[in-house]
Amino acid sequence: AQSVAQPEDQVNVAEGNPLTVKCTYSVSGNPYLFWYVQYPNRGLQFLLKYITGDNLVKGSYGFEAEFNKSQTSFHLKKPSALVSDSALYFCAVRDRVDSSYKLIFGSGTRLLVRP
Amino acid sequence: EAQVTQNPRYLITVTGKKLTVTCSQNMNHEYMSWYRQDPGLGLRQIYYSMNVEVTDKGDVPEGYKVSRKEKRNFPLILESPSPNQTSLYFCASSSPLAKNIQYFGAGTRLSVL
Repeated sequence: AQSVAQPEDQVNVAEGNPLTVKCTYSVSGNPYLFWYVQYPNRGLQFLLKYITGDNLVKGSYGFEAEFNKSQTSFHLKKPSALVSDSALYFCAVRDRVDSSYKLIFGSGTRLLVRP
Repeated sequence: EAQVTQNPRYLITVTGKKLTVTCSQNMNHEYMSWYRQDPGLGLRQIYYSMNVEVTDKGDVPEGYKVSRKEKRNFPLILESPSPNQTSLYFCASSSPLAKNIQYFGAGTRLSVL
């Protein structure tokens, strides 16, 4: 069965420091991997995705993520955090062989960037 | 502007009173889906539709119905709401041309008393 784990409910970082939000996944085949961000009272916004090719993918707002097949991980990173990055972050996976577009989401990680 | 629009944004109702949450997208997407978001559980898929008149159950379909009579609309129907359906609901759409990205509405916060 497909699953996504985000082991940290909350990540706290100081503004200007690097941040990492962790995500591991389990699928039967090869995955499509996504990160979405949710700001208060807003829907989910797409940040970045891994489909194929380069393991390091760059997305919106300076975020990047590295696909690691051996560790089945797709951690979200940013070199220098901003207070405005504070939000709820979701990792999601879709099995390539699943034609239903279904996304399996992690439980979410709240990122708090303090000034 | 490309968007997914849900209405209403907030809804308080009582047990057993039928309600419908509407979802409309203006991107001509074939695929649409409904998710519910609950604390600590992330988003779970309720129903999805691959195209007009084609719908299927997701992971948590009990107590919900959907219809897809037109490509742009995908309403979520709760025939007899119960308190355990109190949640935050999101509609999403996508298509092959959208490069596997799903676009989400702003959400509907439902409270069933």
